[in-house]
Amino acid sequence: GQQVMQIPQYQHVQEGEDFTTYCNSSTTLSNIQWYKQRPGGHPVFLIQLVKSGEVKKQKRLTFQFGEAKKNSSLHITATQTTDVGTYFCAGPTGGGNKLTFGTGTQLKVEL
Amino acid sequence: GAVVSQHPSRVICKSGTSVKIECRSLDFQATTMFWYRQFPKKSLMLMATSNEGSKATYEQGVEKDKFLINHASLTLSTLTVTSAHPEDSSFYICSARDFSGIRGTGELFFGEGSRLTVL
Repeated sequence: GQQVMQIPQYQHVQEGEDFTTYCNSSTTLSNIQWYKQRPGGHPVFLIQLVKSGEVKKQKRLTFQFGEAKKNSSLHITATQTTDVGTYFCAGPTGGGNKLTFGTGTQLKVEL
Repeated sequence: GAVVSQHPSRVICKSGTSVKIECRSLDFQATTMFWYRQFPKKSLMLMATSNEGSKATYEQGVEKDKFLINHASLTLSTLTVTSAHPEDSSFYICSARDFSGIRGTGELFFGEGSRLTVL
């Protein structure tokens, strides 16, 4: 079945440093979504990318969808302690109604 | 504010008992809801798709008799963990989409999650 892998699994950064997580799917995706889960919380939707090569920005966050629509990345510039959490990518499966979540990248930001 | 509400947030039960978790969509109708399970520091694993008015669709490896799902109305789905055992201890999260397009553009809205501990 479809597999969605993310690297790295964990990342510790100093506040102000940049952070990037990479997402790779075993199959071509019609779209990709990103979610953030704070410690002890539930996943919250961040963004959806649909077009090949698409790049979207949300303040310090930059999301990119690969040309082949099999990979994606999330880059955070100048991390802050509020960025702490686990970031998941997710791609549609099962005819598009279901979402398969990536393995996630846990980000810790130290002062 | 929250668009999907889940209850209870935490539950501790004895081995052999059954536990029911409720998931409600607020302000929108959800003909389909999704139940996920998450182990500590792990990803979300889809357990089943809850379909209003019909049987749930379970993912491979998920016991349907163990995890009973009922979707009796357009705003409520329930997950019952039957005869719970310690290995069932986990974080269970429901989610739903607002296909009307009023809320969002097809993303999943998650409930707050229910942390089950079976002693």
